[in-house]
Amino acid sequence: GQNIDQPTEMTATEGAIVQINCTYQTSGFNGLFWYQQHAGEAPTFLSYNVLDGLEEKGRFSSFLSRSKGYSYLLLKELQMKDSASYLCAVMDSNYQLIWGAGTKLIIKP
Amino acid sequence: DAGITQSPRHKVTETGTPVTLRCHQTENHRYMYWYRQDPGHGLRLIHYSYGVKDTDKGEVSDGYSVSRSKTEDFLLTLESATSSQTSVYFCAISASGSTSGANVLTFGAGSRLTVL
Repeated sequence: GQNIDQPTEMTATEGAIVQINCTYQTSGFNGLFWYQQHAGEAPTFLSYNVLDGLEEKGRFSSFLSRSKGYSYLLLKELQMKDSASYLCAVMDSNYQLIWGAGTKLIIKP
Repeated sequence: DAGITQSPRHKVTETGTPVTLRCHQTENHRYMYWYRQDPGHGLRLIHYSYGVKDTDKGEVSDGYSVSRSKTEDFLLTLESATSSQTSVYFCAISASGSTSGANVLTFGAGSRLTVL
C-alpha cells in the first residue's frame, strides 16, 4: 500500500528552528508537496519538490531525497503565526496525491 | 477576493437525509476536487472533475455523487447521509491537472457537516 508518515505533533519555541519530517512509500513519484493549514482554515500551498535537494523560500525550506523516500520542511525564525498543521503530500505514478495526516506544530513564546 | 467558495459552511442534518454541498470558482480552472478531512487521516479524495460533465471517483467515493454542469460549479451530494459521513469537506481547484507534476491545489474554506 501507499503510505505517508509524519509526526503527529511537534512543539518549538518562538525564534527557533524546527524541522518537520515526512517519509513516504508510494507507487512511483511525481513530486512532493507541503501545505500549511491553520486551525479551522483551508490548506495553503507552501512548496513543491520533484528533484533531490533543498528548495528555499524565505523562512521556509523544503528538502527531498528520492532514494530515501524522505523530505523535510525547515522553518526558521519561528513566529507565533507559524502555529499550524503542516501537510505532506506525494504525487504517485498515476498523478494521484497521497496525503499524510499532518503535523501539528505548536509554537511557545 | 476568494476565487473559490463553498456553501454551506456548516450543516447539521439527520441520518438518511440528502445533502448537497456546493463549490463555486471564479478562476476558470478546469480541474475541481472534493476531499474529506478527518482527525488522524490525511485528506481523502472523494471525486474529481476534469471538465464539464467529466468526473471520476476518488478513493472514498461510496455514498457520494457529484455533478458538474458548468465550469464554475461542482456539487457533492450525499444521497442518504450516514454518521460516518460527518466530516469537514474541502473543495479544491487546479489549473494544470494531473498530467503536470506541479499540480498546486487551491482549497475552499471547507464545509463542516454533522450527521446525527
